[in-house]
Amino acid sequence: GENVEQHPSTLSVQEGDSAVIKCTYSDSASNYFPWYKQELGKRPQLIIDIRSNVGEKKDQRIAVTLNKTAKHFSLHITETQPEDSAVYFCAASKGSNYQLIWGAGTKLIIKP
Amino acid sequence: GAVVSQHPSRVICKSGTSVKIECRSLDFQATTMFWYRQFPKKSLMLMATSNEGSKATYEQGVEKDKFLINHASLTLSTLTVTSAHPEDSSFYICSARYGQGADTQYFGPGTRLTVL
Repeated sequence: GENVEQHPSTLSVQEGDSAVIKCTYSDSASNYFPWYKQELGKRPQLIIDIRSNVGEKKDQRIAVTLNKTAKHFSLHITETQPEDSAVYFCAASKGSNYQLIWGAGTKLIIKP
Repeated sequence: GAVVSQHPSRVICKSGTSVKIECRSLDFQATTMFWYRQFPKKSLMLMATSNEGSKATYEQGVEKDKFLINHASLTLSTLTVTSAHPEDSSFYICSARYGQGADTQYFGPGTRLTVL
């Protein structure tokens, strides 16, 4: 079955710097890759997603890139701010049952 | 749009009792809803996939007789934890799939269950 690996588990960056979180997936049939942000005790919130027919997608300070050949996708956050501190999860889906296979999560810490 | 509510947000119950958690899609119809369990500092663990009008599909290792799921309408799914025990204490989150043929899932705010 599908497996999603996410790295790093913890990422600490200086406010204003960029943060990059990487995920790899195993099932080449996966075609949908969302990223969620979860603050402590809150619900996961979709921040950006990408489908397999696109290589890159950007929304203001957030971007996601997808390399289908390498089965690898990444989240890029530029000009980080204190409110970006949270746990970020990547996921993959292949649409047959719409189930998401989740990465283990990355705790992002923005240092003032 | 794509708002999902969940009730209750917190519940404390005695061991042996049953607890029902409701998940509602407020502004859209959700053919499919998902139930997750999340342990502290861990990722989401899918428990079951709930399709309106049919039986839920449970993940391996999840007891269907213990975690009863009902998806009677396109806007409501319920999870009942039967004969709860302390080890069932956890954060339970539902999500609803939004859009025809779409993969996007929107999450409810979660329910913190504590079994004494």
